[in-house]
Amino acid sequence: DQQVKQNSPSLSVQEGRISILNCDYTNSMFDYFLWYKKYPAEGPTFLISISSIKDKNEDGRFTVFLNKSAKHLSLHIVPSQPGDSAVYFCAARAIGNTPLVFGKGTRLSVIA
Amino acid sequence: EAQVTQNPRYLITVTGKKLTVTCSQNMNHEYMSWYRQDPGLGLRQIYYSMNVEVTDKGDVPEGYKVSRKEKRNFPLILESPSPNQTSLYFCASSPQGGYQPQHFGDGTRLSIL
Repeated sequence: DQQVKQNSPSLSVQEGRISILNCDYTNSMFDYFLWYKKYPAEGPTFLISISSIKDKNEDGRFTVFLNKSAKHLSLHIVPSQPGDSAVYFCAARAIGNTPLVFGKGTRLSVIA
Repeated sequence: EAQVTQNPRYLITVTGKKLTVTCSQNMNHEYMSWYRQDPGLGLRQIYYSMNVEVTDKGDVPEGYKVSRKEKRNFPLILESPSPNQTSLYFCASSPQGGYQPQHFGDGTRLSIL
């Protein structure tokens, strides 16, 4: 039973355009969501997060949108740069002392 | 430099030979955890620790042990490794559990023949 789903295994975007990575979840108890970026041979690094009391959080070129009614969140990267090419993981946590649940990841390729 | 350090980075070993993957963090974080990453499955939590001497099971704890005798160290122990434990392992830490992003190590690739 996959609670956090990233249905697109890969995405290719041209440099300078917008990248949109999507994530769906099934557990209505999730109240905190994060995005991590992972380069080959490195561990995941934290990118941006959002609490369920918000519907948008922005940090520079990165914006995360949360639609609680649809149980959907998305990460927007504008403008996309070649250095953004990586695997992006969506993660979620439920209220209380619960494990972080990760999606399978989406590989983003930004083409110059 | 703030970091989570895992050793070894790569290991090829045989079934049944006990091994330990060490994890150390220099950020005085209370929370530490272990994950495994497998193709098509994403990251799954093995064990976590909220503080010294406090550990708990994650989603896939079978075949693994952990200990947390000191705040900075959180070793992962495979008492009798099997081929299905061949995977990429990550250790992570955060100031506390809950709503704080975790810092990850660079991973340990284990191959069990």
